[in-house]
Amino acid sequence: GAVVSQHPSWVICKSGTSVKIECRSLDFQATTMFWYRQFPKQSLMLMATSNEGSKATYEQGVEKDKFLINHASLTLSTLTVTSAHPEDSSFYICSAPPVPGTEAFFGQGTRLTVV
Amino acid sequence: TQLLEQSPQFLSIQEGENLTVYCNSSSVFSSLQWYRQEPGEGPVLLVTVVTGGEVKKLKRLTFQFGDARKDSSLHITAAQPGDTGLYLCAVSGGTSYGKLTFGQGTILTVHP
Repeated sequence: GAVVSQHPSWVICKSGTSVKIECRSLDFQATTMFWYRQFPKQSLMLMATSNEGSKATYEQGVEKDKFLINHASLTLSTLTVTSAHPEDSSFYICSAPPVPGTEAFFGQGTRLTVV
Repeated sequence: TQLLEQSPQFLSIQEGENLTVYCNSSSVFSSLQWYRQEPGEGPVLLVTVVTGGEVKKLKRLTFQFGDARKDSSLHITAAQPGDTGLYLCAVSGGTSYGKLTFGQGTILTVHP
């Protein structure tokens, strides 16, 4: 099956700093990847759609200048949380479809804690 | 307004009991997916239902898609502690199949 890997699995950073999360498709190329955020005991909320070679599409209410997305290659998308604050602490999950328009597979998620 | 209304939000039962989780909407969907997520991990797809009235079985799990394709249910028979987790229904949005909108989720705890 298709494998999507995130790195790191967890990260702790100080308030005001930036942190980068990587999402890689290990055995397929992904022109599109999706970034979700999940707060404890809640569901997943789509943040943005990452498009290889073009700008990301952000969902309403998501600050594009705070959550920078770069889809640098067909196997890598990065999410950078800039000037992180404690309220940004959350579980960030990416997904990617092996074939455009088909089922997307999820990464294992990244637990971000801002102190 | 939530696109998908999932209930119940929490479910705590004893091993061996049966349970049903519901996912309802006023919208019609071409397909609907059910996921299971364990703490600290990403969701894993259990099933995709496509046809109105469709019933799919996965061992002790039975998934049903409503005739009008507006609602779905997940029934677990003889629940086991290993079934514990967060169950999510989801639908795809726009032209991208992988872009998902999730229900609120059901946290299931099965006690031995």
